Amino acid sequence: NAGVTQTPKFQVLKTGQSMTLQCAQDMNHNSMYWYRQDPGMGLRLIYYSASEGTTDKGEVPNGYNVSRLNKREFSLRLESAAPSQTSVYFCASSVSGQGGYTFGSGTRLTVV
Amino acid sequence: GEDVEQSLFLSVREGDSSVINCTYTDSSSTYLYWYKQEPGAGLQLLTYIFSNMDMKQDQRLTVLLNKKDKHLSLRIADTQTGDSAIYFCAESNTGGFKTIFGAGTRLFVKA
Repeated sequence: NAGVTQTPKFQVLKTGQSMTLQCAQDMNHNSMYWYRQDPGMGLRLIYYSASEGTTDKGEVPNGYNVSRLNKREFSLRLESAAPSQTSVYFCASSVSGQGGYTFGSGTRLTVV
Repeated sequence: GEDVEQSLFLSVREGDSSVINCTYTDSSSTYLYWYKQEPGAGLQLLTYIFSNMDMKQDQRLTVLLNKKDKHLSLRIADTQTGDSAIYFCAESNTGGFKTIFGAGTRLFVKA
C-alpha cells in the first residue's frame, strides 16, 4: 500500500545509546519531515528535507541528525539518547511544502 | 514565534454536531489544515482551506475561516462514535516547509 513506512514501531534505549529511525515513502513526494509528539504539546518539527539532497533544522533539532538517503528515504539519528527524547516520532512527506502531509504510523521511543 | 491554539477537550452526543475551534497568530498563513489522529496511529489529513476562502464543505465536514480574527473551525455533522479522536489544527505559509500544529482537541462522542 502506498504511504509512509516507519521502523521500528517501538524502541527502548538506555541513556547514551544511539539509534536510527528509518522512514520511507513510495508516493514520489519531494519533501520529508521528522516531528516529535509530546503530550499537550502537539507536534514539533525536528528536521525537514525540502527536496532530495537538502536538509534543514526545524524547531527542536538539538540532539538529532538526519540523512536524506535518496528521494524515498529520510532517516533520523539519535547519537546519544537522553530521557528528554522519550517521545513519539512521526515521519511525514508531501509533494511540496503545501497541501498537507502524509504521516507514518509513528515510532514510540522510551529512553531510560 | 508563530502559534496555533486549540481547546483540549470536547464532548458531544452521538448524532449531534461537533464544532472544534482553533486560533492562529501568523497573518501570512496561506494554508490551514485539519488532521485527525486515532489511537496508536499517525495523523490523517482531513481537509484544508486556502486563506482566501471563507468556507469549505466536504460531506459531513465544514471548515469556516475568519481571517480577520485568525479563527478556524471544523464542524462535524451527525457525529458518530467513530469520530472519536484527536483533531489537530495546523497552518503553513507560502513557500514554507514549517507547518505549525496546535496541541490537538480530543473529541469524545457519547453513545
